[in-house]
Amino acid sequence: ELKVEQNPLFLSMQEGKNYTIYCNYSTTSDRLYWYRQDPGKSLESLFVLLSNGAVKQEGRLMASLDTKARLSTLHITAAVHDLSATYFCAVDKNNDMRFGAGTRLTVKP
Amino acid sequence: NAGVTQTPKFRILKIGQSMTLQCTQDMNHNYMYWYRQDPGMGLKLIYYSVGAGITDKGEVPNGYNVSRSTTEDFPLRLELAAPSQTSVYFCASSYAHEQYFGPGTRLTVT
Repeated sequence: ELKVEQNPLFLSMQEGKNYTIYCNYSTTSDRLYWYRQDPGKSLESLFVLLSNGAVKQEGRLMASLDTKARLSTLHITAAVHDLSATYFCAVDKNNDMRFGAGTRLTVKP
Repeated sequence: NAGVTQTPKFRILKIGQSMTLQCTQDMNHNYMYWYRQDPGMGLKLIYYSVGAGITDKGEVPNGYNVSRSTTEDFPLRLELAAPSQTSVYFCASSYAHEQYFGPGTRLTVT
């Protein structure tokens, strides 16, 4: 069964610091996604990673995928308050989407 | 383009009542999905569709039904509401590996 684990589940950071969120999954998958969700809102797509070694960057966020280790990382560089949100990874195997429990990120001044 | 729209935004149901959550997309996407999100949790896939006339079960389909008679619409039916179905429901459509989510329906069953 396809399972997705994220860690940490809660992360409190100071502005300007760097940190990494980890996403492990249990079986081979077709795609890996990262989403952002603000409180009471819907999900916003951040990245779609399709192949081993894929790396994508947008602003202060960078995502990477290692399909052999079944691991994706979301790296945050020089965090700012606006990045406070919950971040989810999800994997897709034959259209069966499975989400991690999410990482609730708080960036403090 | 309105994107993915969902109605209603909020609903309170009594145990045993039925209702249909509506989902419409105007992007001509073939793939559509229904998810539920319980408080503090990730999303769980209820049903998905790869095109009009085709639906398939996801991770948590029990207690729900779907239909896909047109490309645009993908309604989710709850036949006998139970408290365990209290959740936020998101509909999504997909094209070229990108998923586009609707604003959600917050459902409470009491």
